Amino acid sequence: DIQLTQSPSSLSASVGDRITITCRASQDISNSLAWFQQKPGKAPQSLIYGASTLQSGVPSKFSGSGSGTDFTLTISGLQSEDFATYYCQQYSTYPLSFGGGTNVDI
Amino acid sequence: QLQLQESGPGLVKPSDTLSLTCTVSGGSISSSDYYWGWIRQPPGKGLQWIGTISYRGSTYNNPSLRSRVSISGDTSKNQFSLKLSSVTAADTAVYYCARLPRGIQLWLTYFDYWGQGILVTVSS
Repeated sequence: DIQLTQSPSSLSASVGDRITITCRASQDISNSLAWFQQKPGKAPQSLIYGASTLQSGVPSKFSGSGSGTDFTLTISGLQSEDFATYYCQQYSTYPLSFGGGTNVDI
Repeated sequence: QLQLQESGPGLVKPSDTLSLTCTVSGGSISSSDYYWGWIRQPPGKGLQWIGTISYRGSTYNNPSLRSRVSISGDTSKNQFSLKLSSVTAADTAVYYCARLPRGIQLWLTYFDYWGQGILVTVSS
Protein backbone atom coordinates (compact mmCIF):
# COMPACT_ATOMS: atom_id res chain seq x y z
CA ASP A 1 0.00 0.00 0.00
CA ILE A 2 1.12 3.56 -0.66
CA GLN A 3 1.66 5.66 2.45
CA LEU A 4 1.24 9.43 2.25
CA THR A 5 3.11 11.53 4.80
CA GLN A 6 2.05 15.14 5.23
CA SER A 7 4.20 17.76 6.85
CA PRO A 8 3.86 19.63 8.99
CA SER A 9 1.01 17.98 10.88
CA SER A 10 -0.01 21.42 12.09
CA LEU A 11 1.05 24.97 11.51
CA SER A 12 0.13 28.39 12.79
CA ALA A 13 -0.17 31.25 10.38
CA SER A 14 -1.57 34.75 10.11
CA VAL A 15 -4.05 36.38 7.76
CA GLY A 16 -2.21 37.37 4.60
CA ASP A 17 0.49 34.72 4.93
CA ARG A 18 1.62 32.34 2.21
CA ILE A 19 1.94 28.77 3.39
CA THR A 20 3.13 25.49 1.91
CA ILE A 21 2.08 21.98 2.91
CA THR A 22 4.01 18.92 1.76
CA CYS A 23 2.75 15.44 0.92
CA ARG A 24 5.29 12.68 0.34
CA ALA A 25 4.34 9.32 -1.16
CA SER A 26 6.09 6.07 -0.24
CA GLN A 27 6.45 5.26 -3.96
CA ASP A 28 6.09 6.95 -7.31
CA ILE A 29 2.46 7.98 -7.95
CA SER A 30 3.13 10.15 -11.03
CA ASN A 31 0.66 13.05 -10.74
CA SER A 32 -2.24 11.05 -9.28
CA LEU A 33 -2.69 13.27 -6.25
CA ALA A 34 -5.60 15.32 -4.96
CA TRP A 35 -5.90 17.89 -2.18
CA PHE A 36 -8.92 18.53 0.05
CA GLN A 37 -9.91 21.15 2.60
CA GLN A 38 -11.97 20.20 5.64
CA LYS A 39 -13.46 22.62 8.13
CA PRO A 40 -14.62 21.45 11.57
CA GLY A 41 -17.83 19.47 11.41
CA LYS A 42 -17.97 19.67 7.62
CA ALA A 43 -17.28 17.31 4.75
CA PRO A 44 -14.00 17.61 2.86
CA GLN A 45 -14.07 19.75 -0.27
CA SER A 46 -11.99 19.07 -3.34
CA LEU A 47 -9.35 21.69 -4.12
CA ILE A 48 -6.92 20.17 -6.59
CA TYR A 49 -6.57 16.99 -8.64
CA GLY A 50 -3.88 15.74 -10.97
CA ALA A 51 -1.41 17.33 -8.51
CA SER A 52 -1.90 20.81 -9.97
CA THR A 53 -5.33 21.21 -11.60
CA LEU A 54 -7.70 23.45 -9.70
CA GLN A 55 -11.19 22.06 -9.11
CA SER A 56 -13.91 24.22 -10.65
CA GLY A 57 -14.83 27.13 -8.42
CA VAL A 58 -11.69 26.96 -6.28
CA PRO A 59 -9.90 30.34 -6.02
CA SER A 60 -6.50 30.72 -7.64
CA LYS A 61 -4.84 31.44 -4.31
CA PHE A 62 -4.63 27.64 -4.02
CA SER A 63 -1.97 25.96 -6.11
CA GLY A 64 -0.46 22.51 -6.26
CA SER A 65 2.74 21.15 -7.67
CA GLY A 66 4.91 18.06 -7.77
CA SER A 67 5.09 14.63 -9.32
CA GLY A 68 6.53 11.27 -8.46
CA THR A 69 6.80 11.19 -4.68
CA ASP A 70 6.90 14.84 -3.55
CA PHE A 71 3.98 17.24 -3.74
CA THR A 72 3.11 20.63 -2.32
CA LEU A 73 -0.04 22.64 -1.71
CA THR A 74 0.49 26.38 -1.49
CA ILE A 75 -2.07 28.88 -0.23
CA SER A 76 -1.38 32.54 -0.89
CA GLY A 77 -2.93 35.43 0.99
CA LEU A 78 -4.45 33.38 3.80
CA GLN A 79 -7.92 34.50 4.81
CA SER A 80 -9.93 33.52 7.86
CA GLU A 81 -11.96 31.01 5.84
CA ASP A 82 -8.76 29.14 4.88
CA PHE A 83 -8.04 28.03 8.42
CA ALA A 84 -8.89 24.34 8.19
CA THR A 85 -7.35 20.89 7.88
CA TYR A 86 -5.90 19.88 4.52
CA TYR A 87 -5.54 16.32 3.25
CA CYS A 88 -3.83 14.79 0.26
CA GLN A 89 -5.11 11.62 -1.47
CA GLN A 90 -3.37 9.33 -3.94
CA TYR A 91 -5.23 7.51 -6.68
CA SER A 92 -2.34 5.91 -8.52
CA THR A 93 -2.64 2.51 -6.92
CA TYR A 94 -5.21 0.35 -5.13
CA PRO A 95 -6.10 0.90 -2.33
CA LEU A 96 -6.89 4.61 -2.43
CA SER A 97 -5.25 6.35 0.51
CA PHE A 98 -5.08 9.69 2.30
CA GLY A 99 -2.40 11.60 4.11
CA GLY A 100 -2.74 12.20 7.84
CA GLY A 101 -3.77 15.83 7.43
CA THR A 102 -2.30 19.26 8.17
CA ASN A 103 -4.18 21.53 10.54
CA VAL A 104 -3.75 25.22 9.71
CA ASP A 105 -4.74 27.54 12.53
CA ILE A 106 -4.30 31.12 13.50
CA GLN B 1 -26.64 20.83 -8.49
CA LEU B 2 -25.29 17.52 -7.29
CA GLN B 3 -26.20 16.52 -3.75
CA LEU B 4 -25.36 13.37 -1.81
CA GLN B 5 -27.15 12.54 1.43
CA GLU B 6 -26.22 9.74 3.81
CA SER B 7 -28.91 8.08 5.91
CA GLY B 8 -29.12 5.23 8.39
CA PRO B 9 -28.95 4.42 12.10
CA GLY B 10 -26.66 6.55 14.22
CA LEU B 11 -26.16 3.79 16.77
CA VAL B 12 -25.21 0.19 16.06
CA LYS B 13 -24.52 -2.57 18.56
CA PRO B 14 -21.18 -4.42 18.58
CA SER B 15 -21.14 -7.50 16.29
CA ASP B 16 -24.13 -6.16 14.32
CA THR B 17 -24.11 -4.94 10.72
CA LEU B 18 -23.87 -1.22 9.96
CA SER B 19 -26.12 -0.24 7.05
CA LEU B 20 -26.05 3.14 5.35
CA THR B 21 -27.61 4.54 2.18
CA CYS B 22 -26.50 7.44 0.03
CA THR B 23 -29.21 9.19 -1.97
CA VAL B 24 -27.95 11.09 -4.99
CA SER B 25 -29.83 14.04 -6.49
CA GLY B 26 -28.82 16.26 -9.37
CA GLY B 27 -26.92 13.40 -10.98
CA SER B 28 -27.33 9.73 -11.90
CA ILE B 29 -25.45 6.78 -10.47
CA SER B 30 -26.06 5.11 -13.84
CA SER B 31 -23.78 7.58 -15.60
CA SER B 32 -20.65 5.96 -17.03
CA ASP B 33 -18.73 9.15 -16.25
CA TYR B 34 -18.68 8.54 -12.51
CA TYR B 35 -18.06 6.10 -9.71
CA TRP B 36 -19.49 6.32 -6.21
CA GLY B 37 -17.72 5.66 -2.97
CA TRP B 38 -17.67 5.51 0.82
CA ILE B 39 -15.08 7.04 3.12
CA ARG B 40 -15.00 7.18 6.91
CA GLN B 41 -13.36 9.35 9.53
CA PRO B 42 -13.07 8.25 13.19
CA PRO B 43 -13.58 11.14 15.63
CA GLY B 44 -10.54 13.39 15.62
CA LYS B 45 -8.71 11.25 13.08
CA GLY B 46 -7.98 11.10 9.38
CA LEU B 47 -9.82 9.73 6.36
CA GLN B 48 -10.06 6.09 5.27
CA TRP B 49 -11.37 4.88 1.93
CA ILE B 50 -13.90 2.06 2.38
CA GLY B 51 -14.94 1.14 -1.13
CA THR B 52 -16.23 2.20 -4.54
CA ILE B 53 -18.99 1.03 -6.87
CA SER B 54 -19.21 1.54 -10.61
CA TYR B 55 -22.24 2.39 -12.72
CA ARG B 56 -22.31 -1.29 -13.70
CA GLY B 57 -22.31 -2.44 -10.09
CA SER B 58 -18.68 -3.57 -9.94
CA THR B 59 -17.17 -2.96 -6.52
CA TYR B 60 -13.68 -2.26 -5.22
CA ASN B 61 -13.07 -2.40 -1.48
CA ASN B 62 -10.27 -1.53 0.89
CA PRO B 63 -8.44 -4.79 1.63
CA SER B 64 -8.24 -3.88 5.31
CA LEU B 65 -12.04 -4.08 5.44
CA ARG B 66 -12.78 -6.22 2.42
CA SER B 67 -14.26 -9.27 4.10
CA ARG B 68 -16.69 -7.15 6.10
CA VAL B 69 -17.75 -4.66 3.42
CA SER B 70 -20.55 -4.90 0.90
CA ILE B 71 -21.49 -2.03 -1.43
CA SER B 72 -24.51 -2.13 -3.72
CA GLY B 73 -26.47 0.22 -5.95
CA ASP B 74 -30.16 0.76 -6.70
CA THR B 75 -30.47 2.66 -9.95
CA SER B 76 -34.27 2.86 -9.67
CA LYS B 77 -33.90 4.94 -6.50
CA ASN B 78 -30.60 6.56 -7.52
CA GLN B 79 -29.03 5.29 -4.31
CA PHE B 80 -26.05 3.23 -3.29
CA SER B 81 -25.54 1.49 0.02
CA LEU B 82 -22.88 0.29 2.42
CA LYS B 83 -23.02 -2.69 4.73
CA LEU B 84 -20.23 -3.30 7.24
CA SER B 85 -20.57 -6.48 9.24
CA SER B 86 -19.30 -7.53 12.67
CA VAL B 87 -18.74 -3.98 13.83
CA THR B 88 -16.72 -3.02 16.88
CA ALA B 89 -16.05 0.27 18.65
CA ALA B 90 -13.21 0.83 16.18
CA ASP B 91 -15.82 1.30 13.45
CA THR B 92 -17.24 4.37 15.18
CA ALA B 93 -16.79 7.17 12.68
CA VAL B 94 -18.39 9.77 10.46
CA TYR B 95 -19.24 7.97 7.23
CA TYR B 96 -19.24 9.95 3.99
CA CYS B 97 -20.50 9.03 0.55
CA ALA B 98 -18.86 10.71 -2.41
CA ARG B 99 -18.63 10.86 -6.19
CA LEU B 100 -15.52 9.98 -8.16
CA PRO B 101 -15.13 11.16 -11.77
CA ARG B 102 -13.97 8.39 -14.10
CA GLY B 103 -10.26 8.76 -14.68
CA ILE B 104 -7.60 7.46 -17.01
CA GLN B 105 -7.34 4.49 -14.68
CA LEU B 106 -11.14 4.28 -14.51
CA TRP B 107 -12.13 3.84 -10.86
CA LEU B 108 -8.70 4.81 -9.51
CA THR B 109 -9.57 8.45 -9.18
CA TYR B 110 -10.27 11.18 -6.68
CA PHE B 111 -13.40 12.32 -4.84
CA ASP B 112 -14.94 15.49 -6.25
CA TYR B 113 -18.23 15.81 -4.36
CA TRP B 114 -18.98 14.63 -0.83
CA GLY B 115 -22.10 14.17 1.26
CA GLN B 116 -22.33 15.94 4.60
CA GLY B 117 -21.53 12.74 6.50
CA ILE B 118 -23.30 10.75 9.18
CA LEU B 119 -21.91 9.84 12.59
CA VAL B 120 -22.29 6.16 13.42
CA THR B 121 -21.47 5.08 16.95
CA VAL B 122 -20.90 1.43 17.80
CA SER B 123 -21.96 0.82 21.36
CA SER B 124 -24.16 -1.51 23.37
